[in-house]
Amino acid sequence: NAGVTQTPKFRVLKTGQSMTLLCAQDMNHEYMYWYRQDPGMGLRLIHYSVGEGTTAKGEVPDGYNVSRLKKQNFLLGLESAAPSQTSVYFCASRSGSWKTGNTIYFGEGSWLTVV
Amino acid sequence: QKEVEQDPGPLSVPEGAIVSLNCTYSNSAFQYFMWYRQYSRKGPELLMYTYSSGNKEDGRFTAQVDKSSKYISLFIRDSQPSDSATYLCAMSGQSSASKIIFGSGTRLSIRP
Repeated sequence: NAGVTQTPKFRVLKTGQSMTLLCAQDMNHEYMYWYRQDPGMGLRLIHYSVGEGTTAKGEVPDGYNVSRLKKQNFLLGLESAAPSQTSVYFCASRSGSWKTGNTIYFGEGSWLTVV
Repeated sequence: QKEVEQDPGPLSVPEGAIVSLNCTYSNSAFQYFMWYRQYSRKGPELLMYTYSSGNKEDGRFTAQVDKSSKYISLFIRDSQPSDSATYLCAMSGQSSASKIIFGSGTRLSIRP
């Protein structure tokens, strides 16, 4: 059982380039999230999805776009990368049911550097 | 003001000591309280979660929630070097659609 898988794990981009981070989960979870983690800032929510075909803005959405065309995939796009987007990105998912508690499962992270 | 405040540390204690990690919050709508452990260069993993107030124990770990003070704690007994990690508190409201808000994390180091 793979859980939450993120690709790529590492990437270096030049300012202005675009890229897409892919998140895939095999747990049939309704909710999916993209966070970024920066030193001293903790995990900050970028965008999230409450089901296939839905997306919503989180705490720090500017400069990012997302899509959830299939239930198991959640894509994070950077249209024009900026050095301020250098960070570690984590994808996460959870079941929508409260019966399973609020367990949120994280991927291993994607390290992105924008130069 | 952040919704969830957590002392970033670092916190260094000798092996075998009792560790106390804490978070405060401002949103009274929070009902679910969680602790995640994150090893270096890894994703966070759920350690414990508690609904509403009270205590919950799991092995060497005890989670406490005091909703009247908007204060949550994680205690680690008989701490081990393998407990060295960053610990993040997280909170969420009652609704299934509620967002999960994380603290900034406390870096813990257990000295052998």
